[in-house]
Order: sequence, then structure tokens, then C-alpha cells
Amino acid sequence: QVQLQESGPGLVKPSQTLSLTCTVSGVSIGTGSFYWSWIRQPAGKGLEWIGHIYTSGRTDYNPSFKSRVTISVDTSKSHFSLKLSSVTAADTAVYYCARLYFYDANGSYSSGRFDPWGQGTPVTVSS
Amino acid sequence: DIQLTQSPSSLSASVGDRVTIACRASQAISNYLSWYQQKPGKAPQLLIYGASTLQSGVPSRFSGSGSGTDFTLTISSLQAEDFAIYFCHQSYNTPPNTFGQGTKLEIK
Repeated sequence: QVQLQESGPGLVKPSQTLSLTCTVSGVSIGTGSFYWSWIRQPAGKGLEWIGHIYTSGRTDYNPSFKSRVTISVDTSKSHFSLKLSSVTAADTAVYYCARLYFYDANGSYSSGRFDPWGQGTPVTVSS
Repeated sequence: DIQLTQSPSSLSASVGDRVTIACRASQAISNYLSWYQQKPGKAPQLLIYGASTLQSGVPSRFSGSGSGTDFTLTISSLQAEDFAIYFCHQSYNTPPNTFGQGTKLEIK
């Protein structure tokens, strides 16, 4: 059973860098056709995709974050990480990690879906 | 970016009711649409992908349909545990992956 677990500081000061880690268990993070993703949700609002890293190491980011975001992977520790720089109060949210994949168990290509998700970790940006 | 618009934004219904939630894409996305359920304080959970394929373990009272720009999620007979927020998500033209704004399903 694949499980994801976020960790990191719950409070970050404005202008500093938010750093979170997602530890993956039940599957090798460096194999398969998976996109290891970060998604956030401000309180009472919708879901916003931040970006992902593919098993090859290629990254894609939401343009709305411009150059503030970096996602990396450490296969030896079976985790991937998010860094979001120059944070403001608008970055206060629950941050989720999730696996995105497009292939069925029989190898057929299908629509992408996020499954599973981590439980989420709240991050507050405040001085 | 592809925009997803859900309707209604909120909905009141009773146990046993049949409920339908709509998701409209700003351009055609084939069947690259998935649906998620989110309960308070919890992470979203995958219900349906490929517009109509039920994720393993999801009750059969949930179903999805549509293709192109218009999609629906139907709950055939509401149970108490179904009151939650529902989101649609498109993976056709990424990045970025985008989500609908959510539909809150409340008890009448």
C-alpha cells in the first residue's frame, strides 16, 4: 500500500523560504511512471496544483508560482521536497503531497489522477 | 490554462436522494477528468478517473459521465457519509493541472 506523509515547519516568516518534505512508502520513488506532486489549499478554498517531479527527475511547475518554486527528489531517502521562496501571507495553506499517474494496472494509458494523497500539513506565514 | 467550472457551488440534499454535480471545462479535454471527495480536515480522495471509471473500493452508487467539455458526477442514493466537498480535476493539458472550485454537499 502506497502512503505519503508530509513534514516540515508549520510557521514560516514572510520573505523566507517554505520547505516541506514528503516521505513515500510502499513503492520505490525512483521507478515507475509517476509524478510526485505538491498541491495546496488555503483555508475554506479550493485546490491549487504547485508542481511535480517525474521519476526521471524532470519537473513541471505552475506558472503562477513563477520562479519561486523548486521540487527535488532524494531517492535514497525515498522522499521528495518542496521549496517555495519569498513567501507572503497568501502562501498560508494546507500543503498536500500526492502521486499523479496516468497508467492503469494493465499498462493502459488513461487520464491522470492524484492517488494517494498525504494527510496534509498546515503552513502559516506570519511574523 | 484550462478552467473548470463546477455547478452548483453548494447543494442541500437528503439521505436517499439522487444528486448530480456538473463540471464544465473551458475547452475540450476528451475524458481526462477525475473526481475527488474531501471531508472536513481530511485530504481529498479519488472517486472517479477517465470521466467514468470508478476507483477501486469506491461504492457503486457513485458514477461519472461526460466527454469533451461537460461532465457529471452522480450519487444515486445519498448516504450520510457522502456529505462532503467534491472537486473535479483535468489532466488533459498540463501543466498546470487544474481543479474546479468545489461543490459542497450538505444535509437538508
